[in-house]
This record gives sequence, structure tokens and C-alpha cells, in this order.
Amino acid sequence: DSGVTQTPKHLITATGQRVTLRCSPRSGDLSVYWYQQSLDQGLQFLIQYYNGEERAKGNILERFSAQQFPDLHSELNLSSLELGDSALYFCASSVVGQGNTGELFFGEGSRLTVL
Amino acid sequence: AQSVAQPEDQVNVAEGNPLTVKCTYSVSGNPYLFWYVQYPNRGLQFLLKYITGDNLVKGSYGFEAEFNKSQTSFHLKKPSALVSDSALYFCAVRDMAGRRALTFGSGTRLQVQP
Repeated sequence: DSGVTQTPKHLITATGQRVTLRCSPRSGDLSVYWYQQSLDQGLQFLIQYYNGEERAKGNILERFSAQQFPDLHSELNLSSLELGDSALYFCASSVVGQGNTGELFFGEGSRLTVL
Repeated sequence: AQSVAQPEDQVNVAEGNPLTVKCTYSVSGNPYLFWYVQYPNRGLQFLLKYITGDNLVKGSYGFEAEFNKSQTSFHLKKPSALVSDSALYFCAVRDMAGRRALTFGSGTRLQVQP
């Protein structure tokens, strides 16, 4: 158990809909990362938040957005869903600051199926 | 930009034999390098990392990795494979100069036959 919690584990929805994925980082971790894992694209970095502020952006579509709340949990919002958005979405967290050697701790993922 | 290449989609090895999963990287400056393992329907689990120092890094479950700066490689190894090692393995690199997100390779499926 990595200590990173993601909900829901599975989600089935229709094209055009909007969903929200939730992540609680490990206790004490200030940084949260979102990754998308699909068969054809592999593991793609979407976005990183640190202590409530956006820190880095990767291959995140404009239809997707994220935020990190004061209690450090994060949400990834996916809207106007398309079939190609079907994937496993991972959240990861890390210690940031002195002593940080970079490894991320991953949750179990949220599997999104768009029909 | 940083990148990682895992040239083999799948590696097959017999139980008890040594295994190697290959990884090469490209990054500005000195790299932080990582290996992760993913079992079916699970998240990624951290195996080991190279930051600095000894080129041979030991990690979880008997795995080790060898950092080779001249060949820009970071191959994952294990002296004696177990059937339970069968999983998807990812190499990752972190760029020290910029953002802290890891860039992952495409993954290598390890199949250990009994």
C-alpha cells in the first residue's frame, strides 16, 4: 500500500459527459501528479500541483483540468469525454524539498471507460 | 527534453535464470533514474533509483540496476528470476533542472516461465 488513495476505482460513462477523479496523497506529501496510462500512449504526464499551486504541465488536454485543495487532496476533471479518453488515470505524490530524491508513490488508479 | 527508451516490448526468461530489462535515457545534465513495476490492475510500485554514487544500485525483491553514463543506460537485472516477477516494468527519468515529474518509458513486459 503506497498510501495514495484514488476514487473511484472504476467509472463507466458516455461520450460528452464530465467526470471527476479524486486523489488523496500520502500523509505529508505536498506534491501531486496526474498521469494517464493508455495502451497506445503509454504513461503520459498530465499535470503537477504543489501545495495548491500548479507546478508543471504535461500533455493535458484543454478539456481536462485539475486542482489541489487546502487539505492537499486533488481532483482531475475530465469533460466533453471522447472514446479516446478511456484509460487508467493515476495519481502520484512525492515529498518535495530537502531530502526529496524524486521517487513518486502511485495510487491504484481510476479506470475510466467512455462508451 | 528528457526521454527514456525501453527497446524490448517483452522479455521471456526461464525461472532461475538471470534476467535483464533494458533502458536508455536522454536528459540534460545528471539524471535521476528509476525503475517501477506494475502488476495487473495495480498501480506502479517503486523498485529502485539511481541518484549518484555507486553505479550498481540494489532495490526491492532482489532487483538491481546498473547505471552506465557513457552508454546512457540503466538496465534492470536480477540474478535468478521467479515466476512471480512476471509483470510490466517501467524505466523513468527525472530532469533535475526543471520540473519534478518523471518521464516514463513505454514499458517492458517480463514473462518468467516455470
